[in-house]
Amino acid sequence: EAGVVQSPRYKIIEKKQPVAFWCNPISGHNTLYWYRQNLGQGPELLIRYENEEAVDDSQLPKDRFSAERLKGVDSTLKIQPAELGDSAVYLCASSFGRGAETQYFGPGTRLLVL
Amino acid sequence: SQQGEEDPQALSIQEGENATMNCSYKTSINNLQWYRQNSGRGLVHLILIRSNEREKHSGRLRVTLDTSKKSSSLLITASRAADTASYFCATDRQGNLIFGKGTKLSVKP
Repeated sequence: EAGVVQSPRYKIIEKKQPVAFWCNPISGHNTLYWYRQNLGQGPELLIRYENEEAVDDSQLPKDRFSAERLKGVDSTLKIQPAELGDSAVYLCASSFGRGAETQYFGPGTRLLVL
Repeated sequence: SQQGEEDPQALSIQEGENATMNCSYKTSINNLQWYRQNSGRGLVHLILIRSNEREKHSGRLRVTLDTSKKSSSLLITASRAADTASYFCATDRQGNLIFGKGTKLSVKP
């Protein structure tokens, strides 16, 4: 069974440019999460989807970040415009069912904003 | 904000030794999980312990939970070089997982 797929794995952009990350969760997992992980820190939740509904986006900086999961399967996270402080690893995870049960993580996208 | 705090921040041991990492948290929980992250990779789920459980085993891993002290420990027995990674505890809050900053474990051959 394929795991959580993320692309790209690495992205280098200049500040003020837009960037997008894509995630395909494990088949059958209806809950999808986007996390940001800064260097030396644990992951911090940005947004949680249950099917196509964003049930918790309280930590998503909505002035520049947006996310969508149109058909309740794959998801895209966008930053526009990017700032230097957005440099981090962006992790996608999925789980079967709702709530804080076992989550399966993708390899992440490492973003560097210059 | 991060609810769990791992201790120590870094741990260096020789292959074959046991490694113990601790996690403290602040509010009541339904479950506590431990994850491992190898350098440059995503997190891998290791073990989940529920609030009504006190101890759980999985292979060389042993996890304990003391809800009265709001703490958990992860013991890795007979460590191997491949166990070198960062280890995170995560607690649930309103349906989400809150991760600590992690313990960086280095196992030297």
